[in-house]
Amino acid sequence: AQSVTQLGSHVSVSEGALVLLRCNYSSSVPPYLFWYVQYPNQGLQLLLKYTSAATLVKGINGFEAEFKKSETSFHLTKPSAHMSDAAEYFCAVRSNFGNEKLTFGTGTRLTIIP
Amino acid sequence: EAGVAQSPRYKIIEKRQSVAFWCNPISGHATLYWYQQILGQGPKLLIQFQNNGVVDDSQLPKDRFSAERLKGVDSTLKIQPAKLEDSAVYLCASEEGGTSYNEQFFGPGTRLTVL
Repeated sequence: AQSVTQLGSHVSVSEGALVLLRCNYSSSVPPYLFWYVQYPNQGLQLLLKYTSAATLVKGINGFEAEFKKSETSFHLTKPSAHMSDAAEYFCAVRSNFGNEKLTFGTGTRLTIIP
Repeated sequence: EAGVAQSPRYKIIEKRQSVAFWCNPISGHATLYWYQQILGQGPKLLIQFQNNGVVDDSQLPKDRFSAERLKGVDSTLKIQPAKLEDSAVYLCASEEGGTSYNEQFFGPGTRLTVL
């Protein structure tokens, strides 16, 4: 069985400050990991994904995430928050073996303080 | 490239009524998914199609939910009869298929309110 845990359902940061959204995974086999963003009344959009190549993954809109096997983590970061980053962020895991489904975390709502 | 289309965007019904949602995936995408996203939670897979065949419907409440993907292109998800706990956003996603690290492309969703 695979799962992800997102610590903090709500995170607030000041504009220009570091964004850190936490995600820990549980998987019995090497996983593929994803971060999706959801803006109000929209579907999910892929920010970045880890597919067992480089452990530091760069995505769109200045976001990046680092896969740390020893910590079973895949935290999402951005050096400087922008007002347009306010949204809901979902971490997701999928096994690289067989036809496992994509399993999402419960999400973290990011608020940017002007 | 056109994205995943869904309709309607919003639907309000009373409990015990029936409702249907439609999804048109990205052209050429063999795999289609329906997810249920309850407020405050992440999306949960209801059903996965590969072309016009069902791959995984283990979490679909089959006593009231049904889905089809005729001709392997667009798809319809139906709820009959609806319950209060079915209030959620129903997301459709499509994927080119073939590998587990492919990106799933999501539509804007249908927000269902059951009164």
